[in-house]
Amino acid sequence: DTGVSQDPRHKITKRGQNVTFRCDPISEHNRLYWYRQTLGQGPEFLTYFQNEAQLEKSRLLSDRFSAERPKGSFSTLEIQRTEQGDSAMYLCASSQQGGSETQYFGPGTRLLVL
Amino acid sequence: GENVEQHPSTLSVQEGDSAVIKCTYSDSASNYFPWYKQELGKRPQLIIDIRSNVGEKKDQRIAVTLNKTAKHFSLHITETQPEDSAVYFCAAILTGNQFYFGTGTSLTVIP
Repeated sequence: DTGVSQDPRHKITKRGQNVTFRCDPISEHNRLYWYRQTLGQGPEFLTYFQNEAQLEKSRLLSDRFSAERPKGSFSTLEIQRTEQGDSAMYLCASSQQGGSETQYFGPGTRLLVL
Repeated sequence: GENVEQHPSTLSVQEGDSAVIKCTYSDSASNYFPWYKQELGKRPQLIIDIRSNVGEKKDQRIAVTLNKTAKHFSLHITETQPEDSAVYFCAAILTGNQFYFGTGTSLTVIP
């Protein structure tokens, strides 16, 4: 499968625990995006990387959220001290700078905080 | 930042009829407008897109129109089929920046 992949697909955690999600973009894509999607809403931008540099962060990204892309390939999104309001689908997308700008989405990680 | 509004939020059509979904955007600098289809529990998938230097684009039963002056763009689906039932999202982007998504339209095609 050469598309965007995410792991895990589902995560159930207790309030206060830390969780980490991984995204593997399409191999030749140098841009990687994280979104959050709640039921009935469109994806909300969280942050994006161009290669290993984190270029933009949304105000939605509180101090409890951190994202990395250390080698410019896969990325991780960590949520510390999870809250029930963090329950959502976390989507990753990738695109190629200078290409069509089309973002290709992964299958998402569905997080449930109890 | 950009603000994208999408209407209607729900749409039901009879099989074979046309469906139209409209989006407006606020930032006149936005220059790329994709449409995504998301089936329940699945990832958003690009179905068609348009750039600001083009007024209309067609791909079989799907077309998108863009009015830069009025800052709105629309998705047109003709001869709808039950498999077109899904949530459709529009987005606006200033190239190289983040996507701003609309709130989605839940389309139901009634057989």
